Amino acid sequence: NAGVMQNPRHLVRRRGQEARLRCSPMKGHSHVYWYRQLPEEGLKFMVYLQKENIIDESGMPKERFSAEFPKEGPSILRIQQVVRGDSAAYFCASSPARDSSSTDTQYFGPGTRLTVL
Amino acid sequence: QQQVKQSPQSLIVQKGGISIINCAYENTAFDYFPWYQQFPGKGPALLIAIRPDVSEKKEGRFTISFNKSAKQFSLHIMDSQPGDSATYFCAASRRGGSNYKLTFGKGTLLTVNP
Repeated sequence: NAGVMQNPRHLVRRRGQEARLRCSPMKGHSHVYWYRQLPEEGLKFMVYLQKENIIDESGMPKERFSAEFPKEGPSILRIQQVVRGDSAAYFCASSPARDSSSTDTQYFGPGTRLTVL
Repeated sequence: QQQVKQSPQSLIVQKGGISIINCAYENTAFDYFPWYQQFPGKGPALLIAIRPDVSEKKEGRFTISFNKSAKQFSLHIMDSQPGDSATYFCAASRRGGSNYKLTFGKGTLLTVNP
């Protein structure tokens, strides 16, 4: 049973470019979360999605950032016109549907390390 | 506003010793408290978790102690090993609606010397 998959693992962008980060949840999981980790910091919640729905985007910057989780395919975190302050590790986590016995557990992927030059 | 405060920031323990990491939370609505272990360049991995209806949970060498009245919980690593050297994060969340998001502490860098 493959875990949460993220790609790319490393991404380098120049200021002003777009960054697209992909996340494939664990098999059977329908809930996806995105977190950002700055150096020497804990993880900060960004957005919570279910298939085709954004449930909570309270942690996501209002501008330049967007996320989706289409009916088919991976979840995408998109950062437009990147700036140096966007350099961080971005982690995706997934959890099962709410009617299962371990709904609170979130399983994390290996992360995408974004560097903005 | 930091809702989950974690201490110490770093910890050095000798092999075979006990590592203790503490967390305090502010939001009394939190009802799920996991600990994650993260190695450099990797994603966080769930270590152990507790709900507030119990005061202690043990899995192998790892124990969570939970004090609901003090709004504190801690991770104890018994017989610490060099392979336990990693960053440990406590977290909290609450059920219901869109409230499953995890709020993390800032992490503790544990070094276990051989």
